[in-house]
Amino acid sequence: AQSVAQPEDQVNVAEGNPLTVKCTYSVSGNPYLFWYVQYPNRGLQFLLKYITGDNLVKGSYGFEAEFNKSQTSFHLKKPSALVSDSALYFCAVRDLASGNTPLVFGKGTRLSVIA
Amino acid sequence: NAGVTQTPKFQVLKTGQSMTLQCAQDMNHEYMSWYRQDPGMGLRLIHYSVGAGITDQGEVPNGYNVSRSTTEDFPLRLLSAAPSQTSVYFCASSYSGLNEQFFGPGTRLTVL
Repeated sequence: AQSVAQPEDQVNVAEGNPLTVKCTYSVSGNPYLFWYVQYPNRGLQFLLKYITGDNLVKGSYGFEAEFNKSQTSFHLKKPSALVSDSALYFCAVRDLASGNTPLVFGKGTRLSVIA
Repeated sequence: NAGVTQTPKFQVLKTGQSMTLQCAQDMNHEYMSWYRQDPGMGLRLIHYSVGAGITDQGEVPNGYNVSRSTTEDFPLRLLSAAPSQTSVYFCASSYSGLNEQFFGPGTRLTVL
């Protein structure tokens, strides 16, 4: 069975500092990995995905994520945080070996960027 | 394109009442899913469909029914509402399992 863990419920960072939101996953086959962001009272918005290829994936709003197969991680990063980045971030995984099952989401990490 | 639309935005039910949450997409996506979001629980999959006429259960299917008679629509039915079904419900669609999901704006349901 596929699963994803986001070990931090909350991450606080000062504006202008780099940010990292952590995600680890468990699959039996090869993973498809996604990051989504949710702003208050809104649906989730796609940020980026990893399917194959370069381990560093670039996405929307200056975010990037690094796929690390040996550590089964897919951490979300941004070099310089903005107050407007404050939101709830979800990591999601799909196991290629699982057939047609949809994405499995983590519990989310709330990012707070302080001016 | 309107993307993924959900109605209603808000709903209050009494215990035992039934209702249908509507979801529609105009992107010709095969995959559609229903999730519920509860504080500290993330998104949990209720039901999903990989095409018209095909549905399957997710992690928390009890108390909910779905059908997929067309590619565009994927309604979620609450058979007999319970306070434990108080939640925010999101519908999502994607072209395939390899593609990102597009989410609707959500329906906030309160069951008294």
